[in-house]
Amino acid sequence: DVKVTQSSRYLVKRTGEKVFLECVQDMDHENMFWYRQDPGLGLRLIYFSYDVKMKEKGDIPEGYSVSREKKERFSLILESASTNQTSMYLCASSSLTVLVGYEQYFGPGTRLTVT
Amino acid sequence: AQSVSQHNHHVILSEAASLELGCNYSYGGTVNLFWYVQYPGQHLQLLLKYFSGDPLVKGIKGFEAEFIKSKFSFNLRKPSVQWSDTAEYFCAVNALGDYKLSFGAGTTVTVRA
Repeated sequence: DVKVTQSSRYLVKRTGEKVFLECVQDMDHENMFWYRQDPGLGLRLIYFSYDVKMKEKGDIPEGYSVSREKKERFSLILESASTNQTSMYLCASSSLTVLVGYEQYFGPGTRLTVT
Repeated sequence: AQSVSQHNHHVILSEAASLELGCNYSYGGTVNLFWYVQYPGQHLQLLLKYFSGDPLVKGIKGFEAEFIKSKFSFNLRKPSVQWSDTAEYFCAVNALGDYKLSFGAGTTVTVRA
């Protein structure tokens, strides 16, 4: 079974703090993704990575950065957290195999509250 | 980029009722289609997927979906829901060869016992 783990289930941070969210997958997947999930908006892609040290912006990258130093690990960084970044953050991974249509596997999510 | 529209924001049903959730996408080329489910307190998991072949696909827990290319639709169905089907359901699409998925806004399904 594919397993995607995230470092925290719940996180409370203050405005202006630097926040690190970490994600690890154990299936040797090439692709990794960070989304935020908000009620009524579904999942919106923040960043994704298709290889170590490679990254591409998603639909809402402003205020976020990412790091992928190892294939299995993908970090999301909030340089200076703001209250509008309070959300559920989901990490996902997928293989490069076109035969499975790049099906994504998700972690449990981190609910971040910025006060 | 593709866009995905889910018609219902919140659906409330009684047990044993039939369920149909609508999903439409906007993209003229070949697509892969997915339905994901998120049970309360759990992570998002795949319910079913369509890549090619028979447009009627069956997934886990008695769910099925039909791809109608002419209508750009991929509606999810279950003939008889159970209380345990209470969850949020997301439709997702990617263009052939694209790593990224586009998700709909989600439909919350509440099944009353």
